Amino acid sequence: VLLVQSGPEVRRPGASVKVSCKASGYTFSNYGFDWVRQAPGQGFEWMGWITAHNGKSDSSQRFQDRITLTVDKSTETVFMELKRLTSDDTAIYYCARVGGVAVAGSQFWGQGTQVTVSS
Amino acid sequence: EIVLTQSPATLSLSPGQRVTLSCRASQSVSYYLAWYQLKPGRVPRLLIYDASNRATGIPARFSGSGSGTDFTLTITSLEPEDFAIYYCQQRSAWPVTFGQGTRLE
Repeated sequence: VLLVQSGPEVRRPGASVKVSCKASGYTFSNYGFDWVRQAPGQGFEWMGWITAHNGKSDSSQRFQDRITLTVDKSTETVFMELKRLTSDDTAIYYCARVGGVAVAGSQFWGQGTQVTVSS
Repeated sequence: EIVLTQSPATLSLSPGQRVTLSCRASQSVSYYLAWYQLKPGRVPRLLIYDASNRATGIPARFSGSGSGTDFTLTITSLEPEDFAIYYCQQRSAWPVTFGQGTRLE
């Protein structure tokens, strides 16, 4: 199982960013994905979840009007787009596979994508 | 939102010692709680899923217990590579939440 995320991004305040997470090594549609971020010196913050089966998603109220989660089954890739960025969105963004045997606990994570928001 | 409170914030120990980390939930999460280890520059490593199940490849010195609101992660004999930050995570209710972490130094 491998989750490979897109590379680091630098954005101006007010811009958008779209991070990808390409999965391989298992049956893609059988699992979902969490998106989680970690700001510098901070803990983890859950942003949302999407199922690879049909693209159903849900997100934290904190991001609900700014985040879009999508899936492309043809390339076995999930995407997280965050709009109207501020400096507070500077963080490492992770995708993590969920489902299977565990309800709580993600064995497989992407390598993380550094997003820097700076003027 | 379910708040997870980890204690203590920091623990100073030596290799060979036994350690118990605590994670308390503001309301019941049944057994839908996981423990992760985080080291600088590394991806989170799943240690325990669903409260008490060791993840693949995790040494037997790591164990998890608890249900409802009170959970513990025990490391029976600390190895040098165990000094890291430990986080708990609940997936009982959305939003998924994490504890603030316990640093083992």
